[in-house]
Amino acid sequence: SQQGEEDPQALSIQEGENATMNCSYKTSINNLQWYRQNSGRGLVHLILIRSNEREKHSGRLRVTLDTSKKSSSLLITASRAADTASYFCATVLNSGYSTLTFGKGTMLLVSP
Amino acid sequence: DAGITQSPRYKITETGRQVTLMCHQTWSHSYMFWYRQDLGHGLRLIYYSAAADITDKGEVPDGYVVSRSKTENFPLTLESATRSQTSVYFCASRAGAAYEQYFGPGTRLTVT
Repeated sequence: SQQGEEDPQALSIQEGENATMNCSYKTSINNLQWYRQNSGRGLVHLILIRSNEREKHSGRLRVTLDTSKKSSSLLITASRAADTASYFCATVLNSGYSTLTFGKGTMLLVSP
Repeated sequence: DAGITQSPRYKITETGRQVTLMCHQTWSHSYMFWYRQDLGHGLRLIYYSAAADITDKGEVPDGYVVSRSKTENFPLTLESATRSQTSVYFCASRAGAAYEQYFGPGTRLTVT
């Protein structure tokens, strides 16, 4: 079963706007990670947030984690056409420490 | 070159044939993973390895075999390919249990 579920499945915005993607998960986690995948390419790690952290920033990315609601959000500010990609959240569970469980992703389209 | 590589990048094979997908990483990461990515299913873990000579099943291991005699290599073998194994296969590696993963560029496999 899918541990992480992204929402929305697809998002279309204009350049300069902010994009927010959400991720919900089911069981206790050690950390949650966000990845980006450009069409036809491998996944690229964006940011990792640990279960004892609430917010993390990296450039134009802001990730929040609410362990009480078992949810996370990824905010991309001032989006660019180059941000067009699929975005995945992935969780590392507290039990079964070794593997990442991915959601099905959010497809983001940023139009010029 | 440093990083994680996969070969071949594209492969067409016939039903019933044995196929081996190669994965090589230069970081000496302990963990290595094989995923398949299909529309509607996201990324699903096939097998993973926590160290040389240690492998374990993921979510969808049936029909696949792995080995890890050297830390840097993690080949995936389809013993008798079926059409349902047509997919894009990604290899990934990770330094430790709670770190980010690095993905290879993928192998697009078509079974006719």
